Amino acid sequence: QKEVEQNSGPLSVPEGAIASLNCTYSDRVSQSFFWYRQYSGKSPELIMSIYSNGDKEDGRFTAQLNKASQYVSLLIRDSQPSDSATYLCAVSSGQAGTALIFGKGTTLSVSS
Amino acid sequence: DVKVTQSSRYLVKRTGEKVFLECVQDMDHENMFWYRQDPGLGLRLIYFSYDVKMKEKGDIPEGYSVSREKKERFSLILESASTNQTSMYLCASAGPLGEKLFFGSGTQLSVL
Repeated sequence: QKEVEQNSGPLSVPEGAIASLNCTYSDRVSQSFFWYRQYSGKSPELIMSIYSNGDKEDGRFTAQLNKASQYVSLLIRDSQPSDSATYLCAVSSGQAGTALIFGKGTTLSVSS
Repeated sequence: DVKVTQSSRYLVKRTGEKVFLECVQDMDHENMFWYRQDPGLGLRLIYFSYDVKMKEKGDIPEGYSVSREKKERFSLILESASTNQTSMYLCASAGPLGEKLFFGSGTQLSVL
């Protein structure tokens, strides 16, 4: 059974701090990795994708991937109350005809 | 702007009824997905389709069926609704590798 694990949280950080969200996956052949953000009562939306080892930065967001450790993380710098949401990690084998595997999500709360 | 449209935002049905949930995408995507989301259980894949008239079972297909007669439309069918099918149902679509998902706004189904 392929699995994606996340701490459910809640993760609480003060405004302006760095929030660190972590994800581990079981399938070694996974190729593509994604972070989705879901606000309460809304649908998930894609915020980051990463395909190779190392860091990928997009504004205040940095995704980190370590395939040897089967570990993906999302850093949010200068956290804002508007970042309060549930963050879903998703993993793909990269093959057509297969579906993403989602973690259960980590709830982030940023206090002002 | 990309769009995935689910026919109803809220739906109330009685046990034993046959229920149809409709989803339409305007992005010419090959892949379409049906998930349900319940508190503490995360997103669970019911069925997905990688091409017209093609379907694959997800993690929890029991009690559900799907139909994809046209590329843009993917329907989820509850053959005989039961109370344990009360849930938020999310439809999504994606391009050839099925990775970057675009979600509809969801249907909150209550089965009484």
